[in-house]
Amino acid sequence: GAGVSQSPSNKVTEKGKDVELRCDPISGHTALYWYRQSLGQGLEFLIYFQGNSAPDKSGLPSDRFSAERTGGSVSTLTIQRTQQEDSAVYLCASSLGWGQRKNIQYFGAGTRLSVL
Amino acid sequence: SQQGEEDPQALSIQEGENATMNCSYKTSINNLQWYRQNSGRGLVHLILIRSNEREKHSGRLRVTLDTSKKSSSLLITASRAADTASYFCATDASGSNYQLIWGAGTKLIIKP
Repeated sequence: GAGVSQSPSNKVTEKGKDVELRCDPISGHTALYWYRQSLGQGLEFLIYFQGNSAPDKSGLPSDRFSAERTGGSVSTLTIQRTQQEDSAVYLCASSLGWGQRKNIQYFGAGTRLSVL
Repeated sequence: SQQGEEDPQALSIQEGENATMNCSYKTSINNLQWYRQNSGRGLVHLILIRSNEREKHSGRLRVTLDTSKKSSSLLITASRAADTASYFCATDASGSNYQLIWGAGTKLIIKP
């Protein structure tokens, strides 16, 4: 596609339910990133994929959070047993890789998650 | 932990004035990038400056980098209402193999 696509754009769920967020990166981008952003705050790094591998999962807030990437393309971020503190905008970004201009990140519009 | 720190946290100016935002970081870097975010959604890349560059221009944007002070500034000249947004700096620390380190951002409001 022309840009990074995230779905859904908004998700309202009840506490305790599981949610799945999807990210479709720019074609050919090997690196994919998930971030979380609370209202008025900066970006909180969650996880990074290089191809289908996630070398660093240390940013995931708890074991309720997991992510996978298949075929070096689409990624899903799953939050199990959602809590109210999970409410935030979840942003996905992709890049060509690493090194100089390759690490410019292109962002999707985000998924706004509200846990009631 | 956040390496980049922007100041001010918020800036409100009249349309037509210049806006200057600053970013400081802690470790050696390969490059520094500035991004803009409108309405809490996706960020858009504005400009990248390499560690061996001191100044870079793109349209009404001017970025400077002082590696001795570990700081960068973003100047927006002749501001417009459409420049209202949050601005973030991001650095790739030398030795890091994948992660950009993000600042907390400066919220810029352009008053008509």
